[in-house]
Amino acid sequence: GENVEQHPSTLSVQEGDSAVIKCTYSDSASNYFPWYKQELGKGPQLIIDIRSNVGEKKDQRIAVTLNKTAKHFSLHITETQPEDSAVYFCAANGGTGFQKLVFGTGTRLLVSP
Amino acid sequence: EPEVTQTPSHQVTQMGQEVILRCVPISNHLYFYWYRQILGQKVEFLVSFYNNEISEKSEIFDDQFSVERPDGSNFTLKIRSTKLEDSAMYFCASSELLPSTDTQYFGPGTRLTVL
Repeated sequence: GENVEQHPSTLSVQEGDSAVIKCTYSDSASNYFPWYKQELGKGPQLIIDIRSNVGEKKDQRIAVTLNKTAKHFSLHITETQPEDSAVYFCAANGGTGFQKLVFGTGTRLLVSP
Repeated sequence: EPEVTQTPSHQVTQMGQEVILRCVPISNHLYFYWYRQILGQKVEFLVSFYNNEISEKSEIFDDQFSVERPDGSNFTLKIRSTKLEDSAMYFCASSELLPSTDTQYFGPGTRLTVL
């Protein structure tokens, strides 16, 4: 089955800096890769996703890149703000017909003013 | 904006008791899921449900667990005889279309504490 690794486990940046979180996946059949933000005491909230037919997607300060050959994908947050502080999870779907999302272990991002 | 809702937000129970966690998925969604997150760990898939039957389940989802859509709006997870290790956050999610490539929207979760 699919296995997703995520790094780093914690990331501290200064406000205005960029943050990069990286994930690798094991199943080459995976074709859908969402990123979720989880604030304390809340459920995961989708912030961006990418499908395997594209290599990059951007939404304002957030971008995701996908390298299918290397089986890794990354989240890039530019001009970080204190409200970006949260736990971020990457996930992969294991390919068409698989209905579950397999999550990474999470990255705790702390943005200091 | 439509959202997934869950009740209760926190459930405390004694080991061996039955609990039912409730979810109201987004109204036009067709696929429903339960995930759990043990404190400090990653989110784990439990089960997916479509057209009134389980479509996929994980090894965690053993005979102690069951799911049901008792009416047109609610989706429930029942744990028949809770164990200490069932203590976790339980998240319900739903998606509109094919779950393999469609966005899953998560609810705020129910924190289950088994004493």
